[in-house]
Amino acid sequence: QQQVKQSPQSLIVQKGGISIINCAYENTAFDYFPWYQQFPGKGPALLIAIRPDVSEKKEGRFTISFNKSAKQFSLHIMDSQPGDSATYFCAATMGDAGNMLTFGGGTRLMVKP
Amino acid sequence: SAVISQKPSRDICQRGTSLTIQCQVDSQVTMMFWYRQQPGQSLTLIATANQGSEATYESGFVIDKFPISRPNLTFSTLTVSNMSPEDSSIYLCSVGRDFTEAFFGQGTRLTVV
Repeated sequence: QQQVKQSPQSLIVQKGGISIINCAYENTAFDYFPWYQQFPGKGPALLIAIRPDVSEKKEGRFTISFNKSAKQFSLHIMDSQPGDSATYFCAATMGDAGNMLTFGGGTRLMVKP
Repeated sequence: SAVISQKPSRDICQRGTSLTIQCQVDSQVTMMFWYRQQPGQSLTLIATANQGSEATYESGFVIDKFPISRPNLTFSTLTVSNMSPEDSSIYLCSVGRDFTEAFFGQGTRLTVV
């Protein structure tokens, strides 16, 4: 599996602030980039995903920005809430690899009230 | 979406023993995946379980240590054999849809003492 690098490892944000998590990948064959949210004791759940043919995707307070030339993508959480406190994983996969995901290292987000 | 049930949800096992983890999906799926999540770490793919053929293992994982069964399109098992404390992890079953979106079970938290 090719590596996906994620930063920061942990993040503390005040309620109402913007949380930003960054990822970089190496394999240019990756063509699908999902973000997963994981609460303690639970499996990861798909939050939002993007394909490299668009530069940005927004769903509610969550936005993915994608820079194909730099091989980087990021997750922005607007108006962060304490309920957003969780671990976030970026991931990447190739179409012909099915749903076999390569995960980033994870970011533990804490949103302070 | 897909509903995935994993059993057991957690277990404490003696070193040298084996544990079989079950994964049941509420619909037929072509591919099922097993991941390992070591404490505080990201997810690492162990193997892809395909119905009607042998599982495909990722680098660093071998069939003798992690035998997998896939008797039908809704069920799979992962066995962790001859366990040592280093096997203490969360083991997660995942299934895919449309070769993109992946769904995860709640995981099996294994502690080896």
